[in-house]
Amino acid sequence: GESVGLHLPTLSVQEGDNSIINCAYSNSASDYFIWYKQESGKGPQFIIDIRSNMDKRQGQRVTVLLNKTVKHLSLQIAATQPGDSAVYFCAEKTTGNTPLVFGKGTRLSVIA
Amino acid sequence: NAGVTQTPKFQVLKTGQSMTLQCAQDMNHNSMYWYRQDPGMGLRLIYYSASEGTTDKGEVPNGYNVSRLNKREFSLRLESAAPSQTSVYFCASHLGQGIAFFGQGTRLTVV
Repeated sequence: GESVGLHLPTLSVQEGDNSIINCAYSNSASDYFIWYKQESGKGPQFIIDIRSNMDKRQGQRVTVLLNKTVKHLSLQIAATQPGDSAVYFCAEKTTGNTPLVFGKGTRLSVIA
Repeated sequence: NAGVTQTPKFQVLKTGQSMTLQCAQDMNHNSMYWYRQDPGMGLRLIYYSASEGTTDKGEVPNGYNVSRLNKREFSLRLESAAPSQTSVYFCASHLGQGIAFFGQGTRLTVV
């Protein structure tokens, strides 16, 4: 079936560098996307979302880019900090009473 | 504002025992979910409830049952626990097309 997936299972970056976490989705009907951060021992926490009528959205130090042509989503973290170390999940949803579907996740490790 | 509350936080069961995981949200959300997360893995959907009175199977429903008791509460029941059900269970809720909020998880070990 259609699902959301990620290109890279792990990512190591130097403190202060920018991080880019990628996500591929295959359901062309998806119109809402969310990035979550999960720290060890905790539940996923919302970072940023984007709807399909947009191609970019910025938050505090984070930017989500959506390329509907190639069904690709990315999360950019500026000036990565040790506190950014976590597992990051993308999730997608279609309109209506459909569930949120998660990708497998990428572990981000920040090297001090 | 408590958000999504799960109980218990930890549980050890013997194979064949039954138990119910409780979840409650105070955000007046319509939709509620149960996911499981195995070590180093993503979240897999067990069941979801789009509104009070409705439930639907997700990706991995076998061995589980759910009850949407009211708008606030969505419980997950294991009738006969198996070691393969050792996992961390997360409940989540959201309103319409909005952001889903997660509980802190229930860590279940079946021995």
